[in-house]
Amino acid sequence: EVQLVESGGGLVQPGGSLRLSCAASGFTFTNYWMHWVRQTPEKGLVWVSRINGDGSATNYADSVKGRFTISRDNAKNTVYLQMNSLRVEDTAVYYCARDQYYYYMGVWGKGTTVTVSS
Amino acid sequence: EVVLTQSPDTLSLSPGETATLSCRASQSVSNNYLAWYQQKPGQAPRLLIYAASSRATGIPERFSGSGSGTDFTLTISRLEPEDFAVYYCQQYDSSFHTFGQGTKLEIK
Repeated sequence: EVQLVESGGGLVQPGGSLRLSCAASGFTFTNYWMHWVRQTPEKGLVWVSRINGDGSATNYADSVKGRFTISRDNAKNTVYLQMNSLRVEDTAVYYCARDQYYYYMGVWGKGTTVTVSS
Repeated sequence: EVVLTQSPDTLSLSPGETATLSCRASQSVSNNYLAWYQQKPGQAPRLLIYAASSRATGIPERFSGSGSGTDFTLTISRLEPEDFAVYYCQQYDSSFHTFGQGTKLEIK
Protein backbone atom coordinates (compact mmCIF):
# COMPACT_ATOMS: atom_id res chain seq x y z
CA GLU A 1 0.00 0.00 0.00
CA VAL A 2 1.29 3.43 -0.95
CA GLN A 3 1.53 5.52 2.21
CA LEU A 4 2.94 8.80 3.49
CA VAL A 5 3.12 9.52 7.21
CA GLU A 6 4.06 12.97 8.48
CA SER A 7 5.46 13.73 11.93
CA GLY A 8 7.22 16.49 13.81
CA GLY A 9 4.48 19.08 14.12
CA GLY A 10 3.82 20.95 17.34
CA LEU A 11 3.74 24.27 19.12
CA VAL A 12 6.69 26.62 18.65
CA GLN A 13 7.32 30.27 19.47
CA PRO A 14 7.78 32.90 16.77
CA GLY A 15 11.37 32.88 15.58
CA GLY A 16 11.78 29.23 16.50
CA SER A 17 12.54 26.16 14.42
CA LEU A 18 10.88 22.84 13.69
CA ARG A 19 11.69 19.89 11.45
CA LEU A 20 8.92 17.92 9.81
CA SER A 21 9.42 14.38 8.53
CA CYS A 22 7.47 12.34 6.02
CA ALA A 23 8.03 8.59 5.87
CA ALA A 24 7.10 6.96 2.57
CA SER A 25 6.32 3.34 1.82
CA GLY A 26 4.80 1.18 -0.89
CA PHE A 27 6.55 2.72 -3.90
CA THR A 28 10.02 3.33 -5.33
CA PHE A 29 10.84 6.49 -3.43
CA THR A 30 13.67 7.70 -5.65
CA ASN A 31 11.43 7.79 -8.71
CA TYR A 32 9.33 10.65 -7.45
CA TRP A 33 9.44 14.33 -6.68
CA MET A 34 8.06 15.00 -3.21
CA HIS A 35 6.16 18.07 -2.03
CA TRP A 36 5.12 19.89 1.10
CA VAL A 37 1.77 21.68 0.99
CA ARG A 38 0.17 23.57 3.87
CA GLN A 39 -3.43 24.43 4.62
CA THR A 40 -5.23 26.98 6.74
CA PRO A 41 -8.95 27.80 6.86
CA GLU A 42 -8.17 31.34 5.69
CA LYS A 43 -5.85 30.62 2.74
CA GLY A 44 -6.79 27.06 1.82
CA LEU A 45 -4.09 24.92 0.20
CA VAL A 46 -0.71 26.56 -0.39
CA TRP A 47 2.19 24.77 -2.06
CA VAL A 48 5.38 25.17 -0.02
CA SER A 49 8.25 23.26 -1.60
CA ARG A 50 9.31 20.27 -3.69
CA ILE A 51 12.40 18.14 -4.18
CA ASN A 52 13.38 15.77 -6.97
CA GLY A 53 14.17 12.09 -6.67
CA ASP A 54 17.90 12.32 -5.97
CA GLY A 55 17.67 15.52 -3.96
CA SER A 56 19.63 17.62 -6.45
CA ALA A 57 16.80 20.04 -7.30
CA THR A 58 14.49 21.98 -5.02
CA ASN A 59 11.92 24.75 -5.37
CA TYR A 60 10.23 26.96 -2.80
CA ALA A 61 7.26 29.29 -2.57
CA ASP A 62 8.34 32.91 -2.14
CA SER A 63 6.73 33.04 1.31
CA VAL A 64 9.17 30.46 2.72
CA LYS A 65 12.28 30.92 0.59
CA GLY A 66 15.34 31.47 2.74
CA ARG A 67 13.61 30.18 5.88
CA PHE A 68 12.57 26.62 4.96
CA THR A 69 14.74 23.84 3.58
CA ILE A 70 13.47 20.64 1.99
CA SER A 71 15.68 17.56 1.91
CA ARG A 72 15.40 13.80 1.61
CA ASP A 73 17.15 10.65 2.81
CA ASN A 74 16.57 8.01 0.17
CA ALA A 75 18.08 5.30 2.36
CA LYS A 76 15.30 5.97 4.87
CA ASN A 77 12.55 6.77 2.33
CA THR A 78 11.96 10.03 4.17
CA VAL A 79 11.57 13.64 3.13
CA TYR A 80 12.09 16.52 5.56
CA LEU A 81 11.11 20.14 5.91
CA GLN A 82 13.39 22.20 8.12
CA MET A 83 11.52 25.34 9.15
CA ASN A 84 13.49 28.21 10.67
CA SER A 85 12.54 31.76 11.67
CA LEU A 86 8.95 30.65 12.05
CA ARG A 87 6.19 33.24 11.94
CA VAL A 88 2.63 33.22 13.22
CA GLU A 89 1.45 33.02 9.62
CA ASP A 90 3.27 29.68 9.17
CA THR A 91 0.64 28.11 11.42
CA ALA A 92 -1.05 25.42 9.34
CA VAL A 93 -1.58 21.75 8.70
CA TYR A 94 1.41 20.58 6.68
CA TYR A 95 0.88 17.80 4.16
CA CYS A 96 3.50 15.70 2.46
CA ALA A 97 2.55 14.70 -1.08
CA ARG A 98 4.02 12.53 -3.81
CA ASP A 99 4.31 13.73 -7.35
CA GLN A 100 1.93 12.26 -9.94
CA TYR A 101 2.57 12.67 -13.65
CA TYR A 102 5.25 15.24 -12.69
CA TYR A 103 2.99 18.26 -12.48
CA TYR A 104 0.46 17.14 -9.87
CA MET A 105 0.19 15.57 -6.42
CA GLY A 106 -1.27 12.10 -6.48
CA VAL A 107 -0.63 10.71 -2.99
CA TRP A 108 -1.03 12.66 0.23
CA GLY A 109 -0.31 12.02 3.87
CA LYS A 110 -2.77 12.81 6.64
CA GLY A 111 -0.91 15.95 7.66
CA THR A 112 0.81 17.29 10.76
CA THR A 113 -0.18 20.48 12.58
CA VAL A 114 2.26 23.32 13.19
CA THR A 115 1.25 26.12 15.53
CA VAL A 116 3.44 29.20 15.86
CA SER A 117 2.39 31.21 18.87
CA SER A 118 3.83 32.91 21.92
CA GLU B 1 2.85 33.87 -10.23
CA VAL B 2 -0.30 32.43 -11.76
CA VAL B 3 -3.32 33.19 -9.56
CA LEU B 4 -6.29 30.82 -9.75
CA THR B 5 -9.75 32.11 -8.88
CA GLN B 6 -12.53 29.59 -8.35
CA SER B 7 -16.25 30.27 -8.57
CA PRO B 8 -18.63 30.07 -6.96
CA ASP B 9 -17.31 29.98 -3.40
CA THR B 10 -20.25 27.76 -2.42
CA LEU B 11 -22.58 25.71 -4.59
CA SER B 12 -25.78 24.25 -3.15
CA LEU B 13 -27.28 21.36 -5.10
CA SER B 14 -29.28 18.19 -4.54
CA PRO B 15 -28.17 14.61 -5.19
CA GLY B 16 -28.79 13.66 -8.81
CA GLU B 17 -28.15 17.18 -10.11
CA THR B 18 -25.11 18.31 -12.11
CA ALA B 19 -22.43 20.54 -10.58
CA THR B 20 -20.36 22.95 -12.67
CA LEU B 21 -17.30 24.45 -10.96
CA SER B 22 -15.11 27.10 -12.54
CA CYS B 23 -11.39 27.89 -12.23
CA ARG B 24 -9.99 30.99 -13.93
CA ALA B 25 -6.27 31.71 -14.21
CA SER B 26 -4.65 35.15 -14.19
CA GLN B 27 -2.62 34.10 -17.23
CA SER B 28 -2.60 31.15 -19.58
CA VAL B 29 -1.81 27.86 -17.86
CA SER B 30 1.24 26.27 -19.46
CA ASN B 31 0.32 23.23 -21.57
CA ASN B 32 -2.95 22.99 -19.61
CA TYR B 33 -1.09 21.69 -16.55
CA LEU B 34 -4.21 21.99 -14.44
CA ALA B 35 -5.64 19.57 -11.90
CA TRP B 36 -8.71 19.25 -9.71
CA TYR B 37 -8.74 17.83 -6.17
CA GLN B 38 -11.53 16.83 -3.81
CA GLN B 39 -11.20 17.28 -0.07
CA LYS B 40 -13.60 16.00 2.56
CA PRO B 41 -13.58 17.20 6.19
CA GLY B 42 -10.67 15.81 8.17
CA GLN B 43 -9.10 14.23 5.08
CA ALA B 44 -6.26 15.06 2.73
CA PRO B 45 -7.01 16.19 -0.82
CA ARG B 46 -7.51 13.56 -3.52
CA LEU B 47 -6.47 13.99 -7.14
CA LEU B 48 -9.48 13.77 -9.46
CA ILE B 49 -8.49 15.31 -12.79
CA TYR B 50 -5.08 16.12 -14.29
CA ALA B 51 -3.98 17.76 -17.53
CA ALA B 52 -7.32 19.62 -17.46
CA SER B 53 -9.40 16.67 -18.64
CA SER B 54 -7.83 13.31 -17.74
CA ARG B 55 -9.35 11.35 -14.88
CA ALA B 56 -6.97 9.97 -12.28
CA THR B 57 -6.99 6.27 -11.51
CA GLY B 58 -10.19 5.07 -9.88
CA ILE B 59 -12.14 8.28 -10.38
CA PRO B 60 -15.76 7.71 -11.52
CA GLU B 61 -16.79 8.77 -15.01
CA ARG B 62 -19.29 11.28 -13.61
CA PHE B 63 -16.30 13.54 -12.91
CA SER B 64 -15.08 15.36 -16.01
CA GLY B 65 -12.77 18.28 -16.67
CA SER B 66 -12.59 20.67 -19.58
CA GLY B 67 -11.09 23.96 -20.64
CA SER B 68 -7.82 25.44 -21.80
CA GLY B 69 -5.79 28.61 -21.56
CA THR B 70 -7.26 30.57 -18.65
CA ASP B 71 -10.71 29.00 -18.17
CA PHE B 72 -11.28 25.52 -16.79
CA THR B 73 -14.35 23.64 -15.60
CA LEU B 74 -14.99 20.62 -13.39
CA THR B 75 -18.35 18.98 -14.05
CA ILE B 76 -19.85 16.41 -11.73
CA SER B 77 -22.86 14.65 -13.23
CA ARG B 78 -25.57 12.86 -11.24
CA LEU B 79 -24.29 14.01 -7.84
CA GLU B 80 -23.89 11.28 -5.24
CA PRO B 81 -24.03 11.99 -1.48
CA GLU B 82 -20.28 11.32 -1.19
CA ASP B 83 -19.50 14.05 -3.76
CA PHE B 84 -20.35 16.88 -1.38
CA ALA B 85 -16.96 18.26 -0.42
CA VAL B 86 -14.54 21.10 -1.20
CA TYR B 87 -12.91 21.16 -4.63
CA TYR B 88 -9.62 22.84 -5.50
CA CYS B 89 -7.94 23.52 -8.81
CA GLN B 90 -4.14 23.55 -9.07
CA GLN B 91 -1.73 24.60 -11.81
CA TYR B 92 1.98 24.14 -12.52
CA ASP B 93 4.15 26.80 -14.14
CA SER B 94 7.93 27.27 -14.18
CA SER B 95 8.65 24.99 -11.21
CA PHE B 96 5.90 26.49 -9.05
CA HIS B 97 2.49 25.21 -8.11
CA THR B 98 -0.53 27.26 -7.08
CA PHE B 99 -4.01 26.34 -5.86
CA GLY B 100 -7.33 28.07 -6.17
CA GLN B 101 -9.16 29.09 -3.00
CA GLY B 102 -11.68 26.24 -3.30
CA THR B 103 -15.38 25.75 -4.00
CA LYS B 104 -17.55 24.14 -1.36
CA LEU B 105 -20.21 21.86 -2.80
CA GLU B 106 -22.95 21.47 -0.24
CA ILE B 107 -26.23 19.60 -0.09
CA LYS B 108 -29.25 21.78 -0.74
